[in-house]
Amino acid sequence: SQELEQSPQSLIVQEGKNLTINCTSSKTLYGLYWYKQKYGEGLIFLMMLQKGGEEKSHEKITAKLDEKKQQSSLHITASQPSHAGIYLCGAGSARQLTFGSGTQLTVLP
Amino acid sequence: DAGVIQSPRHEVTEMGQEVTLRCKPISGHDYLFWYRQTMMRGLELLIYFNNNVPIDDSGMPEDRFSAKMPNASFSTLKIQPSEPRDSAVYFCASSDRGRGGNQPQHFGDGTRLSIL
Repeated sequence: SQELEQSPQSLIVQEGKNLTINCTSSKTLYGLYWYKQKYGEGLIFLMMLQKGGEEKSHEKITAKLDEKKQQSSLHITASQPSHAGIYLCGAGSARQLTFGSGTQLTVLP
Repeated sequence: DAGVIQSPRHEVTEMGQEVTLRCKPISGHDYLFWYRQTMMRGLELLIYFNNNVPIDDSGMPEDRFSAKMPNASFSTLKIQPSEPRDSAVYFCASSDRGRGGNQPQHFGDGTRLSIL
């Protein structure tokens, strides 16, 4: 079965700083989904990457897929307190997603 | 548009009691998923349905767990009898097939279940 390892497990940054979260797969990545979760709430879909080398951006968040490295990265530019939460990557087919354990992001004002 | 709706949001009950969690998927979505989230094991897929038919229930932990989807707009996850180790947050998600079959899953806010 596919396993996803996220790094770092937790991250504390000052508002305005850039940061990167990584998701590494034990198997070839055919589809990679990024979600954000706030405590006590459900997962909010951020982006989906399907092709090697694909890069997508939404507001200040950019995600890339490096299929050779079996890895995806999520980069936040000029972080804000609203970016705080748990970021999870999910991989597999849309019907059989395996999730990483998440990266807890704290943004200090 | 309304998202995935789960009820109740919180449930506290005693060991041995029957627990029923409910989910209303997004209208038009033909896939429905039930997940369980714990600190120790993270987010785990329990079962998923396609067009109201259970496709894969290999993640259901025990016979105490059962899930049904009587129609396209409603699903239940039942635990009977409940045990303290079932305490977790249970999420329901739905998606549509879309082009290429890789549409993202959309999650509800979850049910936080505590078994005393």
